[in-house]
Amino acid sequence: DTEVTQTPKHLVMGMTNKKSLKCEQHMGHRAMYWYKQKAKKPPELMFVYSYEKLSINESVPSRFSPECPNSSLLNLHLHALQPEDSALYLCASSQASGTGAAGNTIYFGEGSWLTVV
Amino acid sequence: AQKVTQAQTEISVVEKEDVTLDCVYETRDTTYYLFWYKQPPSGELVFLIRRNSFDEQNEISGRYSWNFQKSTSSFNFTITASQVVDSAVYFCALSEFNQFYFGTGTSLTVIP
Repeated sequence: DTEVTQTPKHLVMGMTNKKSLKCEQHMGHRAMYWYKQKAKKPPELMFVYSYEKLSINESVPSRFSPECPNSSLLNLHLHALQPEDSALYLCASSQASGTGAAGNTIYFGEGSWLTVV
Repeated sequence: AQKVTQAQTEISVVEKEDVTLDCVYETRDTTYYLFWYKQPPSGELVFLIRRNSFDEQNEISGRYSWNFQKSTSSFNFTITASQVVDSAVYFCALSEFNQFYFGTGTSLTVIP
């Protein structure tokens, strides 16, 4: 069983809606990530939090707003999305900060399937 | 340039056949790490293995085995006696210089 849990599993939202994706990890990891994955493509990094501070934003549009309330929780707030934002959103965590720092394994959750209509 | 190349986009095998998934990487660093992940249709990326650049020993875990060859910059993954449950997309990944790179993935279908 994955130790990174994401909710909801599926989300359908209109372009004017505001919704949030939630992620929780109980491995004591200090780095948490949001990835976006389109069909038949590898995951693309969106954001990295290190010790609860945003350390990397891969030029993600402002309609995606991350939040890290504490070291175990990570949210992704969604507002005014476009149909092309429909994708699988993966939360992940690793022991150390940074993307794969010192070869730390990144552990992924089951993902949230987002459809924007 | 692609840091991790998985030349096989899709592979189909009949159950119980062996199958090898290829992964070729590119790096200038002497210290790096290689990974394999499995992504079934449900979506979760499941970590399978991590290997550091100083350990070229092959690894075997049940029906899974990995062949790391620095001379050819390859980290290939073999599934022996494939099963339907092995059907998934498999990603090879490289970690170097504090960056993490995924390959484009290989979609494996095991036909019963």
